[in-house]
Amino acid sequence: TQLLEQSPQFLSIQEGENLTVYCNSSSVFSSLQWYRQEPGEGPVLLVTVVTGGEVKKLKRLTFQFGDARKDSSLHITAAQPGDTGLYLCAGVRGTSYGKLTFGQGTILTVHP
Amino acid sequence: GAGVSQSPSNKVTEKGKDVELRCDPISGHTALYWYRQSLGQGLEFLIYFQGNSAPDKSGLPSDRFSAERTGGSVSTLTIQRTQQEDSAVYLCASNRQGNTGELFFGEGSRLTVL
Repeated sequence: TQLLEQSPQFLSIQEGENLTVYCNSSSVFSSLQWYRQEPGEGPVLLVTVVTGGEVKKLKRLTFQFGDARKDSSLHITAAQPGDTGLYLCAGVRGTSYGKLTFGQGTILTVHP
Repeated sequence: GAGVSQSPSNKVTEKGKDVELRCDPISGHTALYWYRQSLGQGLEFLIYFQGNSAPDKSGLPSDRFSAERTGGSVSTLTIQRTQQEDSAVYLCASNRQGNTGELFFGEGSRLTVL
């Protein structure tokens, strides 16, 4: 059972376009994390959102946590080739820090 | 180095053989995790060590999988009688107890079972 549904699985866009990745669940999470992974490397944390309705910005990336803490989104403005990679959302249930439930991931390719 | 170190980076083995994967966490990190990443899948939790507490083994897929952590530092994940479906990247991560939950991942060990 996939507790976190991430969409789309693949995204291929041109430089300068905007995009949104979604992460949805029927379960409530105490916090939700977004990671970025490049080939041959481990995932690297981008952000953690904790409060329902929270919005965090990291340069051209905007992360939102749903009011009910069941879903999240990642929006990238004016995508650049350097944004290419695998984006993963991961939910924390209760205080089980580190025992994360991951989505399937979104492979983003930004063409120059 | 300052990061999580895993070895080997690549391992090819024959079906039925045993394999051992090693993880050296970041110094001072008391918590250590093993995850598995299969093609087309997200990361799947396997096992979690926190200090001297009994490990959380709830993610291990079968009794062929086991892990130990000696001296609160280095961990070894052992897979006995490997099967083709065990082929995946095995990622180790560590963090400090009680932090916000950020995991620091190693580069992974890619296991291929022929």
